[in-house]
Amino acid sequence: GQNIDQPTEMTATEGAIVQINCTYQTSGFNGLFWYQQHAGEAPTFLSYNVLDGLEEKGRFSSFLSRSKGYSYLLLKELQMKDSASYLCAVRRSGYSTLTFGKGTMLLVSP
Amino acid sequence: DTEVTQTPKHLVMGMTNKKSLKCEQHMGHRAMYWYKQKAKKPPELMFVYSYEKLSINESVPSRFSPECPNSSLLNLHLHALQPEDSALYLCASSPLEVRRMAGELFFGEGSRLTVL
Repeated sequence: GQNIDQPTEMTATEGAIVQINCTYQTSGFNGLFWYQQHAGEAPTFLSYNVLDGLEEKGRFSSFLSRSKGYSYLLLKELQMKDSASYLCAVRRSGYSTLTFGKGTMLLVSP
Repeated sequence: DTEVTQTPKHLVMGMTNKKSLKCEQHMGHRAMYWYKQKAKKPPELMFVYSYEKLSINESVPSRFSPECPNSSLLNLHLHALQPEDSALYLCASSPLEVRRMAGELFFGEGSRLTVL
């Protein structure tokens, strides 16, 4: 089976930096994904890591350590529109499906 | 075209009704998925189709019946649902070919289902 943990809620201020952590336990790891989901909308893809290290994509970066079963999503220069749920998802080897964590609700305040 | 289109966006049905949710993509993806999402919960996988064949059924009750008529279309037929089946039903697609980004899911906007 799989176990994916991430904080339930986080708050931050506009313009700040926030790091959302995700830990996972899975048999046969084949990639970790981060998705953003605004209330009432579909999840949208943010980032993908399959090798250790940092992937940077504009204001968003994602880090992976496979030996520690750990990932984080880093959001810089926070904007009000970044208030959303951030879902960590793991893919297992041999499967095309993703299993999602419970999501972290980020609230950005002025 | 990088969209996954779902219809209807909203559906209200009684427990004795029969209805269908539809999903369409024209990205050439050969994997299509149905996920169910309750409020403030993550998406939960229901079904996976690979090359138009059902490859995964996550022990979903038979009142939900998926169908993949061709590589662009995915349906979810609903019959005799229960009020607890009320949720957002998300369709997604992904490429299956082996490359670094394989497995990225493209989601539709979902069909919000209410069962009375």
